[in-house]
Amino acid sequence: AQSVTQPDIHITVSEGASLELRCNYSYGATPYLFWYVQSPGQGLQLLLKYFSGDTLVQGIKGFEAEFKRSQSSFNLRKPSVHWSDAAEYFCAVGGGSSASKIIFGSGTRLSIRP
Amino acid sequence: DAGITQSPRYKITETGRQVTLMCHQTWSHSYMFWYRQDLGHGLRLIYYSAAADITDKGEVSDGYVVSRSKTENFPLTLESATRSQTSVYFCASKSGTNYEQYFGPGTRLTVT
Repeated sequence: AQSVTQPDIHITVSEGASLELRCNYSYGATPYLFWYVQSPGQGLQLLLKYFSGDTLVQGIKGFEAEFKRSQSSFNLRKPSVHWSDAAEYFCAVGGGSSASKIIFGSGTRLSIRP
Repeated sequence: DAGITQSPRYKITETGRQVTLMCHQTWSHSYMFWYRQDLGHGLRLIYYSAAADITDKGEVSDGYVVSRSKTENFPLTLESATRSQTSVYFCASKSGTNYEQYFGPGTRLTVT
């Protein structure tokens, strides 16, 4: 069965520091992977997606993620965070016969220390 | 304005009452989705629709009903609200050829 695990419920980093949010997935075939961001009181916005090809994908707002098939991971990174990056981040997986649906992880809340 | 909208944004209702949450999109996307968001659970799929008059259950569909008579609208009805249905509800849509889902701003529902 499809599943997504985000092991970190809450992370705090200092402004200007680097960031890595972890995501592990379980999927029987080649997954389609996503990272969404949710600012307080808002809906979800797509940061980036991986379907195929280059395993390092670039997204909006300076984020990137790397697909590692051997580790079943799709970690999100940013070299230098800004206070405006404080939000909830969701990893999601989809694809194959359930192409119309995606499964979301439980989310990681990011706080920024001034 | 183009996009996906939800109404109401906030709703308080009593246990046992029927309540309908509205979702409207202007992109003519074929797929529409309803999720609920609860602390520690992320987003869980309630129902989805691949086209007008085609709907299917998600993982947490009990107690909810949907309809889709028009492509642009996808209302979600709680037939007899329970406290466990207190949540934030998100509607999303996507085209048939794209995996990216576009989300509405959400409806915060409180059942007292």
